[in-house]
Amino acid sequence: GAGVSQTPSNKVTEKGKYVELRCDPISGHTALYWYRQSLGQGPEFLIYFQGTGAADDSGLPNDRFFAVRPEGSVSTLKIQRTERGDSAVYLCASSLTGETQETQYFGPGTRLLVL
Amino acid sequence: AQSVTQLGSHVSVSEGALVLLRCNYSSSVPPYLFWYVQYPNQGLQLLLKYTTGATLVKGINGFEAEFKKSETSFHLTKPSAHMSDAAEYFCAVRPKPGGGADGLTFGKGTHLIIQP
Repeated sequence: GAGVSQTPSNKVTEKGKYVELRCDPISGHTALYWYRQSLGQGPEFLIYFQGTGAADDSGLPNDRFFAVRPEGSVSTLKIQRTERGDSAVYLCASSLTGETQETQYFGPGTRLLVL
Repeated sequence: AQSVTQLGSHVSVSEGALVLLRCNYSSSVPPYLFWYVQYPNQGLQLLLKYTTGATLVKGINGFEAEFKKSETSFHLTKPSAHMSDAAEYFCAVRPKPGGGADGLTFGKGTHLIIQP
């Protein structure tokens, strides 16, 4: 079946603008994760959804970052008042139930560049 | 808080030689352990994971890793490197329930270079 998809694949914006990044998880997966990967670094956890609710948002860096998953499937990561330091690849992953030992399946990422 | 250390940001081996990528974690309780691979312009793909049971874990493409609790390590090995193994490799941990944040904590990655 289809894997995790993310749109857009690339996004260029100007400092101060608002952006939305979309993630479509594997069908039937109830758990969804967002990560951010800066150049030369490993992915950094941002937020974890179980169904429609954010079960753990401890990785969100500040209140400019927000994510939703209103119907328990597609998720949108929203960044307000973007800063140059927000430039990174934003990765989405999903897993079947969210159990700790489960494999997380990653999408190809959205490369965000803030000018 | 948990952390993952991958020794060597770049590792270069000859084709046919042993591959050894090192990973150490810092956690008061042994977490679940994962190795992911990222090929150029592709997403992260799971190579293998350790959750319970046998400490030597076999994964895809001939890779294996051994969990050593006493050394807090989970090093990745492959007996004979192939040109197609050239990629970025990430070690990651996830705490057991109640042990911390729900996401994976990744190391900084090791870029594996295969010399012909």
